[in-house]
Amino acid sequence: QLQLQESGPGLVKASETLSLICTVAGGSTSSTTFYWGWIRQSPGKGLEWIGSMYYSGSSYYSSSLKSRATMSVDTSKNQFSLRLSSVTAADTAVYYCARHGALRYSDSPVWRPGNWFDLWGQGTRVTVSS
Amino acid sequence: QSVLTQPPSVSAAPGQKVTISCSGSSSNIGNNYVSWYQQLPGTAPKFLIYDNNKRPSGIPDRFSGSKSGTSATLGITGLQTGDEADYYCGTWDNSLSAYVFGTGTKVTVL
Repeated sequence: QLQLQESGPGLVKASETLSLICTVAGGSTSSTTFYWGWIRQSPGKGLEWIGSMYYSGSSYYSSSLKSRATMSVDTSKNQFSLRLSSVTAADTAVYYCARHGALRYSDSPVWRPGNWFDLWGQGTRVTVSS
Repeated sequence: QSVLTQPPSVSAAPGQKVTISCSGSSSNIGNNYVSWYQQLPGTAPKFLIYDNNKRPSGIPDRFSGSKSGTSATLGITGLQTGDEADYYCGTWDNSLSAYVFGTGTKVTVL
């Protein structure tokens, strides 16, 4: 049974870089039918998509975080990661990793991010301190 | 600021039915399938509905989804206290090249 687990420091100083890893157990990050995504939830707020990445390196980012976010996938370790630079208090949130379904149109060989996240990690709380 | 709008809250008595709307535009709901997620207090979101109206394995048929034009709806029948949660819609936005979530709706069982 596939499971996702986030790991990383729970406390990050303002202006520094937040780094998180998501380990995929019981499955493969090399799957052609999935992207791997990050979503966050600030205290008392809704879900905010950060970005999603394919095993090949193709990636999509939220426009509001694109300048500070970097994702990567390590297929040898079945892990994918998120780095968010120059953090501020506004980046304090629970960060979730999730499996993002992919779609391929019949006339294209390219797999694109789909419309669902079917498996989620339990989330990891990150606090940005001043 | 989310591009998908949901009512902040809905409520009903046990056994009754609630519906949650999700309003978008032609760049998202109008041209893509919609998913729904349930977030129980203090837990990670759970995959509830995909492709507008399909239920993943293990999701009871008390939960249903539909879509019309640029809006989608989640229905919950036979409401139970265990259904008290936040519910979010989501889909891909072709103009933004981004995944967008709804603003979220809190369901309260009276």
